[in-house]
Order: sequence, then structure tokens, then C-alpha cells
Amino acid sequence: NAGVMQNPRHLVRRRGQEARLRCSPMKGHSHVYWYRQLPEEGLKFMVYLQKENIIDESGMPKERFSAEFPKEGPSILRIQQVVRGDSAAYFCASSLTGTGDNSPLHFGNGTRLTVT
Amino acid sequence: GENVEQHPSTLSVQEGDSAVIKCTYSDSASNYFPWYKQELGKRPQLIIDIRSNVGEKKDQRIAVTLNKTAKHFSLHITETQPEDSAVYFCAAKLPSGDKLTFGTGTRLAVRP
Repeated sequence: NAGVMQNPRHLVRRRGQEARLRCSPMKGHSHVYWYRQLPEEGLKFMVYLQKENIIDESGMPKERFSAEFPKEGPSILRIQQVVRGDSAAYFCASSLTGTGDNSPLHFGNGTRLTVT
Repeated sequence: GENVEQHPSTLSVQEGDSAVIKCTYSDSASNYFPWYKQELGKRPQLIIDIRSNVGEKKDQRIAVTLNKTAKHFSLHITETQPEDSAVYFCAAKLPSGDKLTFGTGTRLAVRP
């Protein structure tokens, strides 16, 4: 089992560009979560998705940020018109049945976004 | 929503000593409390978790205790080793939702 795969590992964007982060969950997992980690801080929940559905996006900024988890392919976190404050590590996690029944979260290695 | 506080933010211990990290949560309905270890530049990894119907859980040198009345839970690492050096995060989850709320982390340094 390859685990949760995220790419790219590092992404540099200039202000105003778009950032696209990809996440493939563990095999057999259909629940995907995105978290943001600022330097020296904890993990902040952004969004929870199942295949083709956004279940909870309460932690995601209303503007410029969007997420999807299509029927085929990886989950995508998209940040439009990036600003310096978007610089952070973005972690994707997956679980087998959703943490609603306390199924453990498995994290990927993260994408470190730097906005110049 | 849930709010989790974690203390201390940094902890330095001598190899072989014990380390204790404490977390408090705000919503008494929370029922699941995992702990994650994150080494520098790497992914958070689940090391132990506890559910609200259990007061203590142990796995080799790691143990977690839960006090539901006081709404706090703690991570105990005994006989610490240099490879235990990392940032440790606690988290809590409400039964009505699917998201984990994380503490701000404790940077543990084990001195050889």
C-alpha cells in the first residue's frame, strides 16, 4: 500500500498565479481531508470530501480556494490568485470510512507552497 | 466548534526520562482523541488514539490518559530516546462531524 500520495512536494508560485495541489488517497479510501499548516503552527482543517461530493468546507476560505474529488483521479486543492499569506504546507489525509466512526486519518507528505 | 489547547509548546528531556504532554478540549461531546508525531519535514503519523469510553491506553513506551470530567487528555512517553524527538500534536473530534481539531503542537527534544 503506497499510502497517501501528494504532489508536488514543493511548489513555488508568484503572487497572482494559480496553485494546484494533488492528492491520491490510500487504496480503498474514499474520504479525503485537506489541512493547512503554517510554520510553527498546528494543522488547520480546510475541507472534507468524498467522491464527487464536498461534505464539509467550513475551514476553507470562501474566495480563491476550491477543492474537488472527482469520480476518477486525485483530489485537487486549487488556490487562485495566490498571495504571500498562502505560503504554507498543505497536507492531505484519507480515511477508510470517515472519521465519523473514528476511522484513523492517514496523512500524505504534504505540498509546501511558497508564494514569492 | 471544538477548541484544543496543548502544553507545553516545547519540552526538553534527558534520554531515559519521561515526557508528558497535556491537552484540554472545550466540547464535552468530543469522543475521539488521537495523537500524531511529526518529524521535521515529514508527514504527521498517528502514534496512539483513545476513545471516550476508555480512560487509559498503552502501547509499549507510549500511553494516553483521558479525564472526561476535566476534559483533558495526556500523552506519556517513558524511557525517551533521541528518535522520539519530534513535534507531537493532539487532536479531538466531535461525534457529529468528521474533522479533527488539532492542538498547536509540542516540540520534544530528547538530549542524548
